[in-house]
Amino acid sequence: EVQLVESGGGLVQPGGSLRLSCAASGFIFSSYTINWVRQAPGKGLEWVSCISSSSTTYYADSVKGRFTISGDNAKNSLYLHMNSLRAEDTAVYYCARRSDYFDLWGQGILVTVSS
Amino acid sequence: EIMLTQSPGTLSLSPGERATLSCRASQSVSNSFLAWYQQKPGQAPRLLIYGASSRATGIPDRFSGSGSGTDFTLTISRLEPEDFAVYYCHQYGSSPRTFGQGTKVEIK
Repeated sequence: EVQLVESGGGLVQPGGSLRLSCAASGFIFSSYTINWVRQAPGKGLEWVSCISSSSTTYYADSVKGRFTISGDNAKNSLYLHMNSLRAEDTAVYYCARRSDYFDLWGQGILVTVSS
Repeated sequence: EIMLTQSPGTLSLSPGERATLSCRASQSVSNSFLAWYQQKPGQAPRLLIYGASSRATGIPDRFSGSGSGTDFTLTISRLEPEDFAVYYCHQYGSSPRTFGQGTKVEIK
């Protein structure tokens, strides 16, 4: 089955760190750009970061310098290392496939930043 | 950064009625690189339309997209019960990729 599955979310204190994972299956992971998109509670969608098939990385201004995206083609997995977390980073984080429109999404994982 | 403004915020309609959703961009979206997604509560978004007017795999033909430049429209010809959801537009013609704030289609 073609799918993306996120893991690693949870509750973290402001200033803390967390690593999200996105496991891909059913397609050639290394051939695609994979993105992280987040959605704050009751809000709309916000693109966060992506990594291309050539390992070039891009970030939204809101997370630049705090988040790092990486991929492991051998494990068909994508990661988002999140540091210096803020309350406004609280959201459901989705991984999504493709560099243009997003044709495949994971089910999402909740990250809550709170003391 | 291209800002996308969707209208109306909420659309109250009955099953069988036609829904017309608007997405307006703050500047021209190159090559009509605009997509539409449907999101139901507790679920991930689902791709409906890409390239402004191309239906994604498995999407019923009651969904159609149109527009170019700065004005785009998603039309649902006859609402089915499963179509009541939130719809987002998304431009991928320039970086950063941006989304509209969403239009909720609710049962009247």
